[in-house]
Formats: sequence, C-alpha cells, structure tokens
Amino acid sequence: QVQLVESGGGVVQPGGSLRLSCAVSGFTFSSYGMHWVRQAPGKGLQWVAFIRSHGGDKYYADSVKGRFSISRDNSKDTLYLQMNSLRADDTAVYYCAKDRGGTTWSSDIWGQGTMVAVSS
Amino acid sequence: QSALTQPASVSGSPGQSITISCTGTSSDVGGYNFVSWYQQHPGKAPKLMIFEVTNRPSGVSDRFSGSRSGNTASLTISGLQAEDEADYYCSSFTSITVSLVFGGGTKLTVL
Repeated sequence: QVQLVESGGGVVQPGGSLRLSCAVSGFTFSSYGMHWVRQAPGKGLQWVAFIRSHGGDKYYADSVKGRFSISRDNSKDTLYLQMNSLRADDTAVYYCAKDRGGTTWSSDIWGQGTMVAVSS
Repeated sequence: QSALTQPASVSGSPGQSITISCTGTSSDVGGYNFVSWYQQHPGKAPKLMIFEVTNRPSGVSDRFSGSRSGNTASLTISGLQAEDEADYYCSSFTSITVSLVFGGGTKLTVL
C-alpha cells in the first residue's frame, strides 16, 4: 500500500525553525521526484518545493527561496523540508506529494498533511 | 494572486455537464504539457484527476476529461454526481521561474 506520512508540524514563533519529515512506503522512493505543497487555512494550494529522485536538483517557490530547504534520504525512504526564518504567512497545512515519475510536475500520491502555525 | 486564473465557483445539477477553465500564458499552460487537475474535498488531501492536459490516472472516472486551447486548459465533468462537489485546482509547470504554479481553485456546487 502506497503511503506518505508527514510529521514535524507544530506551533513556532516568527523567526523560528522547523523541520518536516515525510516517511514513504509502498513504492521505490529513490525512483521518484517529490514535492512539498502547502495550503493556508481557507486558501488554495501553493507549491513549495521539488526535489528530483537522486536529490541533486532542487526547485523552490520564490516565497520560500533562501529560507526553506528540501532534501531526501533515499536510504531511509524519507523526504524533508527544513524551514527557517518562519513568518506568519507560512502558516499552512504542508503536504508531501509523490511525482508521477522523475519530473512530470504532477503528483499522484499525497500525504494527509501536517499543520504548521507561526505565531507569537 | 495566483499565476493561473480559475473561476471562483461553478455549479450544475445532477446529470449535467460543467467545465472549469484555467487560463495562463505561453510560458506555462500554453507552452508545456505539464498541466494537471486536482480534486479536493473539505479536510482531505488533493486527488489527481487529470495529468499532462488530457490523461486520466487509473481509477478516475471517465466522466472527467481535460483539454486545452491556446493558453487555457479546461476540466469537464459530465453526468454530474453529488460526490463531485469539491474544490478543483489546476496546475502547470512554468518556465519563467522553473517551478509549479496552481490556479486559485474553483468550488463546484452540485445543486
């Protein structure tokens, strides 16, 4: 059974840091690109970052560039999102999502999401 | 402000067909086949309904279809059912920033 399980969300003060994890199972993690997508309360989907299967190429939304870092450990079947210098407008549910292939820019499997709240 | 433009809401009666548009530019929707559509029910994760403009993943009903004309992609749902009531999002690769952009989302109401 293909499954993505996010963890690491919580409440953090502005300027703080948080690391999200996404543990995957049911498919060959090292063969697929992976995305992070977020959704602020009551708002639409916003793409955050993408990492290719081998981890060598990474892409970011302008709104998080320089503050967030996507990475992966293919030996542990786990995706990460390191979030630094957090701001109130980073408050959202963060989803990890599997790319359909190496780099197809579409996601066929999504996790259940983890909530990040940035508040003083 | 989203990079792709979708209507905020659409509605239809059971059995009818509806179409949701997604307008971009030649740098995204009109220039690449990396256009997808997602369905999201309240409190749930998004579900992929269409990929590469016109293709349906295995398990998605053939009542859902995708198309494109110029810089506008469209999602058509035929034979509307109550369970189709949800939010729908389009997405596309964009060469301007080498990233993925989503539309603002469309709320579908089945009357």
